[in-house]
Amino acid sequence: AQSVSQHNHHVILSEAASLELGCNYSYGGTVNLFWYVQYPGQHLQLLLKYFSGDPLVKGIKGFEAEFIKSKFSFNLRKPSVQWSDTAEYFCAVNAKVTNAGKSTFGDGTTLTVKP
Amino acid sequence: KAGVTQTPRYLIKTRGQQVTLSCSPISGHRSVSWYQQTPGQGLQFLFEYFSETQRNKGNFPGRFSGRQFSNSRSEMNVSTLELGDSALYLCASSLQGAGNQPQHFGDGTRLSIL
Repeated sequence: AQSVSQHNHHVILSEAASLELGCNYSYGGTVNLFWYVQYPGQHLQLLLKYFSGDPLVKGIKGFEAEFIKSKFSFNLRKPSVQWSDTAEYFCAVNAKVTNAGKSTFGDGTTLTVKP
Repeated sequence: KAGVTQTPRYLIKTRGQQVTLSCSPISGHRSVSWYQQTPGQGLQFLFEYFSETQRNKGNFPGRFSGRQFSNSRSEMNVSTLELGDSALYLCASSLQGAGNQPQHFGDGTRLSIL
């Protein structure tokens, strides 16, 4: 069975600080990886995704993530956060042999950015 | 293009009752998945429907069931409600449910059990 671990439950940063949110997954096969974001009062939306190719993927709003296969990790990064990045971030994985309809999510990381 | 629509937004029920939640996917999307979101458990996969058939199922008791109609709209039913069923229930749709297609989420139905 797949599992996803997000190491930080709550991260507090000041504006312009750099961000890195950890995500590790447990699965022996090849996977598709996602980061979703949920802004206050809004629904979950896709931030970025990795299916294959360049392990460094770029998403919306200046976010990027790097897939390190040997470490089973897919950490999310942003060089300089803004107050508007305050949100909850979820890492998700699905196995390539299954389908997107069955994704396993991490518990989420709440990011609070202080102005 | 309209997003994923879930109704109702809020529900209050008592233990032992049953409830039906509805989800209308994005037009053209044929895969609909349901998740339960709670503060302690995060997002837990309930089941996925594709072309009116349940294609995947999570580890929830048989009290949780669902169905999908020919227009891809889906309903989820929970019978004999328990206090622990209080949660935000999210619906997500994707085109074909393929692994490389991201899911589009609705705003959820918040279910409170008294």
